[in-house]
Amino acid sequence: QVQLVESGGGVVQPGRSLRLSCAASGFTFRNYGMHWVRQAPGKGLEWVAVIWYDGRNKYYADSVKGRFTISRDNSKNTVFLQMNSLRAEDTAVYYCAREGYDVSGYYCDYWGQGTLVTVSS
Amino acid sequence: QTVVTQEPSLTVSPGGTVTLTCASSTGAVTSDYYPNWFQQKPGQAPRALIYGATNKHSWTPARFSGSLLGGKAALTLSGVQPEDEAEYYCLLYYGGTHVVFGGGTKLTVL
Repeated sequence: QVQLVESGGGVVQPGRSLRLSCAASGFTFRNYGMHWVRQAPGKGLEWVAVIWYDGRNKYYADSVKGRFTISRDNSKNTVFLQMNSLRAEDTAVYYCAREGYDVSGYYCDYWGQGTLVTVSS
Repeated sequence: QTVVTQEPSLTVSPGGTVTLTCASSTGAVTSDYYPNWFQQKPGQAPRALIYGATNKHSWTPARFSGSLLGGKAALTLSGVQPEDEAEYYCLLYYGGTHVVFGGGTKLTVL
């Protein structure tokens, strides 16, 4: 069965960096795009970034552009989110989600359980 | 900045029918935006329900349906069950370069 497991969250001071990982299993990872989505405490879902199946294209929300970098290692079935210059407003649960595509278009079907990032001094 | 708008909250009686909508600040929502709908319960990850405006995932209960209605994406729940009480989010794709979530609709079953 499809599984996505995030890790790497924790408490970090403003201005510091953190790297999140999302380990995938149960499907052919190299065939799917991957998203990072976050949710601040008590707030809604916010899209963060997407990386295409082959890693050649990456896109970011304006709120993280220039600070966050998404990458993937298809040999290890893992997608990463490098977060630099962290701010208090980056505090959130970070989810990875699988993106597929069929004749009806793009979809996000499977999600991980999330990892909590707290930015605080 | 693109904004996707949903009703903040809706209330429905058990067994009733309710429609949630998803509007884009850029204009009418079409199938080109590949509307997706998700359900999220407290303390849980989102669960995918609908994609491509009208298509169900294999696990989506039959009482959930998606459509395009009056320039918006719509999610209709027919024969609402108590376990359908949750937050519902829509997601729209914009030109393949970014996606935007709606603010969510808190559905109360009362």
